[in-house]
Amino acid sequence: DAGVTQSPTHLIKTRGQQVTLRCSPKSGHDTVSWYQQALGQGPQFIFQYYEEEERQRGNFPDRFSGHQFPNYSSELNVNALLLGDSALYLCASSTPGETSTDTQYFGPGTRLTVL
Amino acid sequence: GQNIDQPTEMTATEGAIVQINCTYQTSGFNGLFWYQQHAGEAPTFLSYNVLDGLEEKGRFSSFLSRSKGYSYLLLKELQMKDSASYLCAVRDPNSGGYNKLIFGAGTRLAVHP
Repeated sequence: DAGVTQSPTHLIKTRGQQVTLRCSPKSGHDTVSWYQQALGQGPQFIFQYYEEEERQRGNFPDRFSGHQFPNYSSELNVNALLLGDSALYLCASSTPGETSTDTQYFGPGTRLTVL
Repeated sequence: GQNIDQPTEMTATEGAIVQINCTYQTSGFNGLFWYQQHAGEAPTFLSYNVLDGLEEKGRFSSFLSRSKGYSYLLLKELQMKDSASYLCAVRDPNSGGYNKLIFGAGTRLAVHP
């Protein structure tokens, strides 16, 4: 049973560039959430996708956008990169409810460095 | 707003017991999670509490008091591999029924021989 997978593992970009990160959810999960984790901090919620639609968004600018595909995989796009976007980007998958069985499981993350 | 507080760092000795506390201030409550995160790796799920009391899972236990806005994670028979960050997270009660987590900054635990 494959867990959550993310690609790439590491990425180095320069300011102003654009980046796309990818995530495949755990088998049986249809909801994908993206989090940004700065060094020494807890993950911060970016947004969540369910049925190919963004249904919840955190306090992030419009430079952060996403997409979910019919197979439930998801992409996170960040435009006009800033130095402050350097972080570990985590994808978490779950089922859409709010019970104990809807626990979010995290992928290994993509480490983005903006120079 | 929502706020979660945890100690920044803790140290403990191999074989001992350690308790990591978490307090939260949220407008409502809909479940609390503990995750373990080794440096540079993804958080891994440890426990979930939604009712008051103690949940035990092997060497790890988690306690919740909703009236006090308080939880703790108890680690017994500490091993060197338990050196990691421990993240306390609550489900956002204002997320309209959607499964969104709010995390604390994490507690870095160092286990010494």
